Amino acid sequence: NAGVTQTPKFQVLKTGQSMTLQCAQDMNHEYMSWYRQDPGMGLRLIHYSVGAGITDQGEVPNGYNVSRSTTEDFPLRLLSAAPSQTSVYFCASSVLVNTGELFFGEGSRLTVL
Amino acid sequence: KQEVTQIPAALSVPEGENLVLNCSFTDSAIYNLQWFRQDPGKGLTSLLLIQSSQREQTSGRLNASLDKSSGRSTLYIAASQPGDSATYLCAVGEYGNKLVFGAGTILRVKS
Repeated sequence: NAGVTQTPKFQVLKTGQSMTLQCAQDMNHEYMSWYRQDPGMGLRLIHYSVGAGITDQGEVPNGYNVSRSTTEDFPLRLLSAAPSQTSVYFCASSVLVNTGELFFGEGSRLTVL
Repeated sequence: KQEVTQIPAALSVPEGENLVLNCSFTDSAIYNLQWFRQDPGKGLTSLLLIQSSQREQTSGRLNASLDKSSGRSTLYIAASQPGDSATYLCAVGEYGNKLVFGAGTILRVKS
C-alpha cells in the first residue's frame, strides 16, 4: 500500500524558474493538502482540496498554484521560484473532511538559489 | 487567528522515564486535535486523533488528553525507549479543513 507519494524528493531551482511538485494518493481520499515546513515555525497550510475540481487557499498561498483534476492527484506549482520558497513541502490526505486522520507523504526538499 | 504552542521545545530523558509533552491553543472552536511523530528527514506519522467531543485517546504506551475549555492537550509517554526519540507535533483541526500546527517538541531518550 503506497499511501501518499511525493516526487521529487529533492530539487534545486534558480530564482525565477518554475516547477511542479507531484502528489498522489491511492487511498481514495477526498481531502488533500499541501504544507511547507520551515525551522522553528511548524507546518503551514498552502492550499487544500476537498474533492476533484475544488481547491482553496490556506495560510500561505502566494506564489503557489494547485489543481485537482482527479481524486488521486494534487500537484503544487511554483510559478516563479524565490529564495523565500526554500523549504520542505509535505502533501497530506484524509478520508474525512474535518474529522479524519491525516496521512503525510515523505516530503520534498526544495532549495531556490 | 489560532496559535498553537508546544512546551518544552526540546526534552532529553533517560530510558524508562514517563514523560509529558504539552500543547496549548488559543481558540477552543476546534474539530479535533492530532498528535504526530516526525523522524529526521521523514514525513509525519499520526499517533493519536482526539475528536472535539472526546477527552482522551490511548494507543499502547501513548495517552493524549484534550481540555477544550482551557485550550490544552497533553501527550503522555509511558516507559520511554530510545526508539521514541523524534519530534512530536500537535495540530488542531479548524473549520474549513485546516490544521494549525505547533512548532514541535524534540525528544531524545538516552539509553
